[in-house]
Amino acid sequence: NAGVTQTPKFQVLKTGQSMTLQCAQDMNHNSMYWYRQDPGMGLRLIYYSASEGTTDKGEVPNGYNVSRLNKREFSLRLESAAPSQTSVYFCASTRAVEARQFFGPGTRLTVL
Amino acid sequence: KQEVTQIPAALSVPEGENLVLNCSFTDSAIYNLQWFRQDPGKGLTSLLLIQSSQREQTSGRLNASLDKSSGRSTLYIAASQPGDSATYLCAVSGNQFYFGTGTSLTVIP
Repeated sequence: NAGVTQTPKFQVLKTGQSMTLQCAQDMNHNSMYWYRQDPGMGLRLIYYSASEGTTDKGEVPNGYNVSRLNKREFSLRLESAAPSQTSVYFCASTRAVEARQFFGPGTRLTVL
Repeated sequence: KQEVTQIPAALSVPEGENLVLNCSFTDSAIYNLQWFRQDPGKGLTSLLLIQSSQREQTSGRLNASLDKSSGRSTLYIAASQPGDSATYLCAVSGNQFYFGTGTSLTVIP
């Protein structure tokens, strides 16, 4: 039982490049989330998927797209990376909105 | 928009001391409040979850309380240990999840 896994762990991009961050959970959770964590800003929600087949914008969705591929997997795509997207990205999942959130180990992204 | 504030931003205490971390939020329409621990370079680990209908939760040396009407929660850590050194974050869930910026705790041996 791996919980929430994220790949890659580290990534360096040049401005304008694209990439996809992968997230998978093996807990049969319905809801999945993508956050970014920046110094002094705390965690901010980018996108979430309340259930398979649905996605919604969070607090800071600009510059990102998501895909809920199936119940297990939720990916985050940066189409044209910008230095302002340098951050640590966390994926999380929960059985329901009133239940505990479980977090992955994070992806450290640097955009030059 | 929900605003979550944690005070203090950093705290340093000698080993064995009891301590309280504070979390306040502006919108009382929440499903629950969670306290998390984050070690440097790591993800978040959920410590305690308090449903909106509950007043407190306990796990070992940790006790968290919730006062929805005043928009406050506290995390009480008893008999602190150096291994408790980490950043502690609170988060409230309503339509979305909102996090505070955390309290960085250092327990000095």
